[in-house]
Amino acid sequence: SQQGEEDPQALSIQEGENATMNCSYKTSINNLQWYRQNSGRGLVHLILIRSNEREKHSGRLRVTLDTSKKSSSLLITASRAADTASYFCATDGGAQKLVFGQGTRLTINP
Amino acid sequence: GAGVSQSPSNKVTEKGKDVELRCDPISGHTALYWYRQSLGQGLEFLIYFQGNSAPDKSGLPSDRFSAERTGGSVSTLTIQRTQQEDSAVYLCASSLKRDEKLFFGSGTQLSVL
Repeated sequence: SQQGEEDPQALSIQEGENATMNCSYKTSINNLQWYRQNSGRGLVHLILIRSNEREKHSGRLRVTLDTSKKSSSLLITASRAADTASYFCATDGGAQKLVFGQGTRLTINP
Repeated sequence: GAGVSQSPSNKVTEKGKDVELRCDPISGHTALYWYRQSLGQGLEFLIYFQGNSAPDKSGLPSDRFSAERTGGSVSTLTIQRTQQEDSAVYLCASSLKRDEKLFFGSGTQLSVL
C-alpha cells in the first residue's frame, strides 16, 4: 500500500488564488518530498522537508510538516496557469525506498 | 550527461515478448529507482538500488520482472513474457545519496499489444 496519500485527488481554482494540497502518511519518516508532474512523464522535485523541520519555503511554495499528525501540506500562493500539473508527495517511511502517493491534479483556470 | 536518460522513449511490443528498458543515471548518483505509472495514476515503486547494497526488490509485481545495475551506474529493467497489464510508463530516477531529492528521467512508454 502507498505510504503517502494526497488530498484532494483533484483541485480546480481560478488564477491568482491559493492552492492547498495535503499529504498523510502512515509510518515515521526521515523526510517528506513534494514533486510536480506536468502532462507528460518526468517529475520535478519541488521541496524536501526533514522530520525535524516544521515549515519550508521556496518562492511561491510553502510546505508544512506535522509529524504528530503524520501529515504535510503544500501551499501554492498566487497561482498561475503554468502551475497546472499533478502534485505528489513522497516519503521514505524509514525503509529507505521513496514511496509516492496517488497525487493531486491541480487545474488553474484563467 | 546532464540528467537521467531513459531509452527507448517508446516501446511497442507483442504479448509474450521480452523487453529491456535502460536507465542512465546522473554520474556519481548512488541511489537509483524504478517506478511504474499507469495512465492517470500514481507512481508504483518497483525496485531501489543504493550503492553496493543488495537492491530492494519488494515492489516488483511478479517474477517476470527483474532489474540490474552494472558498475553502480547504468540500470536495465527486464520484463519477460510481457502481458497487456504491463502497459504503462516506466520511470527511472536517481539521487546523489539516500534521503536526497530524486532526479527523474522522461520515462519509457511501454505498450503491450
